Amino acid sequence: EDQVTQSPEALRLQEGESSSLNCSYTVSGLRGLFWYRQDPGKGPEFLFTLYSAGEEKEKERLKATLTKKESFLHITAPKPEDSATYLCAVQALGDSNYQLIWGAGTKLIIKP
Amino acid sequence: EAQVTQNPRYLITVTGKKLTVTCSQNMNHEYMSWYRQDPGLGLRQIYYSMNVEVTDKGDVPEGYKVSRKEKRNFPLILESPSPNQTSLYFCASSLRAPGWGANTEAFFGQGTRLTVV
Repeated sequence: EDQVTQSPEALRLQEGESSSLNCSYTVSGLRGLFWYRQDPGKGPEFLFTLYSAGEEKEKERLKATLTKKESFLHITAPKPEDSATYLCAVQALGDSNYQLIWGAGTKLIIKP
Repeated sequence: EAQVTQNPRYLITVTGKKLTVTCSQNMNHEYMSWYRQDPGLGLRQIYYSMNVEVTDKGDVPEGYKVSRKEKRNFPLILESPSPNQTSLYFCASSLRAPGWGANTEAFFGQGTRLTVV
């Protein structure tokens, strides 16, 4: 069964303390992996799309990487405004339903 | 401004009273979908639409209906709401189905918090 697992469920960091969030996936083949940021009570906001192993994308303090089994969202020197829930989603090859498989998210809290 | 607009933002209703949550996008996107989000369960897709007059069930379609008569609108209909449909609902749109080519990221609406008593 296709599955996406995010870890940890929650992560508390001090401002400036770099870390990584993990998204591991089990699918028959990967068409694309998406990262989103969600603030409380708001809709998810798109961050990155990764298509193949070895691909990396960066945006400000965030960098997303992809291997054949997982993706990491690296956060460098985070600020309190980076606090949010980060969601990972996967589109599987051969999925005729055209649906994304979503992880449960990692809640990131950055303390000043 | 490119956006997905849902209405209402908040709704409290009683069991069995039909309701509609509207969703409109101004980006000429082909693919639209509805999700519900519940604590500990993450985002679950209710219905999706590949284009006008083309809709299909997601993972949790029971108790919901949708229609896609125009490209920009994708309303979610609850014919007879029940308390287990209390949730936070999101409408989303993308140029094409997720992953099918470049620029297929989803744009989400602000959400509709529904309470059924």
